[in-house]
Amino acid sequence: DGGITQSPKYLFRKEGQNVTLSCEQNLNHDAMYWYRQDPGQGLRLIYYSQIVNDFQKGDIAEGYSVSREKKESFPLTVTSAQKNPTAFYLCASIRGHWSSGNTIYFGEGSWLTVV
Amino acid sequence: QKEVEQNSGPLSVPEGAIASLNCTYSDRGSQSFFWYRQYSGKSPELIMSIYSNGDKEDGRFTAQLNKASQYVSLLIRDSQPSDSATYLCAVNDNTGTASKLTFGTGTRLQVTL
Repeated sequence: DGGITQSPKYLFRKEGQNVTLSCEQNLNHDAMYWYRQDPGQGLRLIYYSQIVNDFQKGDIAEGYSVSREKKESFPLTVTSAQKNPTAFYLCASIRGHWSSGNTIYFGEGSWLTVV
Repeated sequence: QKEVEQNSGPLSVPEGAIASLNCTYSDRGSQSFFWYRQYSGKSPELIMSIYSNGDKEDGRFTAQLNKASQYVSLLIRDSQPSDSATYLCAVNDNTGTASKLTFGTGTRLQVTL
């Protein structure tokens, strides 16, 4: 079945450690997105990518990095510079643009906790 | 920064009643509007999308859009306990060559027996 796979579902990070969240899609979608959600809050955009080898910062990019070397993959690295990384991370993708009526697909999310 | 505002709730309605969820947005240039339902610990799922002024109905759900007032709402008729969730309003933001969604903080709906 086509979809978005995020891994791991649960991840624990020690202080000062970098961690990478994986996001893979087999939907042949062009655009991919990373959102962060804190408890009781909406989704905030971290980074997004419209095409391979190109990505842009979202509203809360500080302390995060991404790459888009393949169309199917958009990993997110949470660096030690991100001082409060404990949150639910969601990866999403879409074929074209939001305004064209295309459906956004979300992965199942990854829970990151600092220990 | 472009904003999407929602009342955080909780909004409590009895089973079988109509639940009314509201959302306002700041960017007059927004063209596409979405309602997502999110159960605790799960990823959001799309309930409705609406692109033009007026009402759009899909089963028990009706989305209403008023671009002049920068207001979008979601009505849930015959509310069921399974409708208890957080409802997120999202608005598209076409910036340059990119398109992205801005989300509200969500309204928590509780359907009581």
